[in-house]
Formats: sequence, structure tokens, C-alpha cells
Amino acid sequence: GAVVSQHPSWVICKSGTSVKIECRSLDFQATTMFWYRQFPKQSLMLMATSNEGSKATYEQGVEKDKFLINHASLTLSTLTVTSAHPEDSSFYICSARDWGLSGTGSYEQYFGPGTRLTVT
Amino acid sequence: AQKVTQAQTEISVVEKEDVTLDCVYETRDTTYYLFWYKQPPSGELVFLIRRNSFDEQNEISGRYSWNFQKSTSSFNFTITASQVVDSAVYFCALSEEISNFGNEKLTFGTGTRLTIIP
Repeated sequence: GAVVSQHPSWVICKSGTSVKIECRSLDFQATTMFWYRQFPKQSLMLMATSNEGSKATYEQGVEKDKFLINHASLTLSTLTVTSAHPEDSSFYICSARDWGLSGTGSYEQYFGPGTRLTVT
Repeated sequence: AQKVTQAQTEISVVEKEDVTLDCVYETRDTTYYLFWYKQPPSGELVFLIRRNSFDEQNEISGRYSWNFQKSTSSFNFTITASQVVDSAVYFCALSEEISNFGNEKLTFGTGTRLTIIP
């Protein structure tokens, strides 16, 4: 089955530093990846939609300069939290849509295991 | 705008009891997809089911069953003979029709925390 990995699975960083989270589709091509944030005991909130080779589309209220998204290849998207602050502490989850070769994939959306970010 | 409501915030049942998780959705699209995901304590989302808006047949998969009622905009999930391993947060989600471009977003409900008491 399709697998999406995230790295790191957890990270602790100091306030003011930047953290990069990687999302990879391991056995399929993903032209579209999504980034979600989940605060404790809350639902998943979509932050942005990432398309390979183009700029990400951010949801209303999400600071694009703070949450930098790069989707440089069909299997990798990265989310960089710049100048992190304690309020950025959260569980970040990515998902990838199986595009397949020239659109022949299942179009299913597969989720990564998540990255728990703690900013001290 | 799309919206998914899971009115039950937390449910606790004794093991072997049946339990139904409610999901009500709102959308203006005529074609859409409904999903259920399980999120155990580890945090990873586990896909359970996808149903498109034209398929109103109920589905059964082992102890799990889903009831899709377009007339009431509901997509309820029932676990029969619950087990402790079913303890998790369950999310209902909605997306518009999946196109070739693949940018369709998932709108999640707030989730229902299910605790199965041994």
C-alpha cells in the first residue's frame, strides 16, 4: 500500500529557531501534498496545499512567511516553521495524493504519521 | 462552504457493546466524498472508508458498518461488539469531487473520542 513518511517524528527546538519537517511519498508520485496542524484534542486544520513545482496555496489565517512550504519533487514536500514560538507547538501532519504516472494513480489521500513539534 | 459536524465529543462504552458515531455534513456540491479516519494515541491517521455521494449503499467491513443517508446528510459509523483496541479518536471528513488536478481539500469534523472500557 501507499506509504507517506515524515521526518522527524518529533522535535524540540528553542524559541526563535527554525525547524524543517519533511514529508515523503515512498512508493507513489504525489503532485499534491497537504499540510495540517492539530492542536491537542482538536481536529486537523488544513494549513496549505502544496503542488509540485509551484507555490503553495495557504488557508486563510496561515502566515505564509512563517510556514514555508517547498514541494520540489513528486515525492517530497517540506514545511519550515521559521522563528518558532511556543504557540507553534503542535502536531503537524502531511498527506499526499496518489497521482501515479500521468494521472493514473488512485487519487487517494494518504497521511503521514505526523511530527510533534515542541517549542521551548 | 463545507462543514462536518460530529456532535459527540466523547463516548465511553463497555467492551462488547455496540456504538454508533454520528456525522452530519453540509456541502453545496452535488458530487462529493465522505471519509472516516481513526486516530489512535500514536497519532497516525488510519483510513477506514471512503464513500462517494452517488453510492448510498450501506457498507459492512467486519465489525464496522457505515450508514449513508443523503436525505439527512449523515454518514454514521457503527462498531459492533466493541473492543479495547477500538479506543481512539474518530474523524469524519468531507471532500469535493476529486478531479484530475487533485487539489481537493478534506474538511474534518472535530472528532469523537471513543473509549472502550474493559
